[in-house]
Amino acid sequence: DAGITQSPRHKVTETGTPVTLRCHQTENHRYMYWYRQDPGHGLRLIHYSYGVKDTDKGEVSDGYSVSRSKTEDFLLTLESATSSQTSVYFCAISPAYNEQFFGPGTRLTVL
Amino acid sequence: GQQVMQIPQYQHVQEGEDFTTYCNSSTTLSNIQWYKQRPGGHPVFLIQLVKSGEVKKQKRLTFQFGEAKKNSSLHITATQTTDVGTYFCAGPAGGTSYGKLTFGQGTILTVHP
Repeated sequence: DAGITQSPRHKVTETGTPVTLRCHQTENHRYMYWYRQDPGHGLRLIHYSYGVKDTDKGEVSDGYSVSRSKTEDFLLTLESATSSQTSVYFCAISPAYNEQFFGPGTRLTVL
Repeated sequence: GQQVMQIPQYQHVQEGEDFTTYCNSSTTLSNIQWYKQRPGGHPVFLIQLVKSGEVKKQKRLTFQFGEAKKNSSLHITATQTTDVGTYFCAGPAGGTSYGKLTFGQGTILTVHP
């Protein structure tokens, strides 16, 4: 497996609290992605990064922000968590326009 | 926007039976990728198809890319319990790509021993 980790792996939080998920890679890949996975919806892209400080929105970006200050780290922030953001979040990395390597995922529950 | 549809959503088979999942895109794709996700795990890349009409095999798995590059299929011959999981197809998202993918909803395969 590619050198990609996510933290935390599990988190339970309350509505209205801020939450930050971290994706860390040791592969020096340029492209990084955040997805959420919900039953019946497959994987939906939240935000992505094509370089340090270069990020853009995906198809379900409302309520989420990201930052990438170093090649190896891509942070996903929920400014004020809502119950609809309860999901499994996957980070993925890619060296180019080809296969993506996924992290182990973070299971987030918003009460 | 671009849509990638996968059918069926669920498939239950007896061990030894064959399995096929189909993927259809609303737009022509430059390539299509397939991923497998084991229960409780993360998606793992299986293969990428690029050419019109391309067929690739990986042991018991056969992948096809349609002539019009708008559809694809994954066929598993003689399923085993190790094939259990969700199979996703994914195509390049529209606009400026940066490697973005649009995933199908996935087909959840259950194999009964």
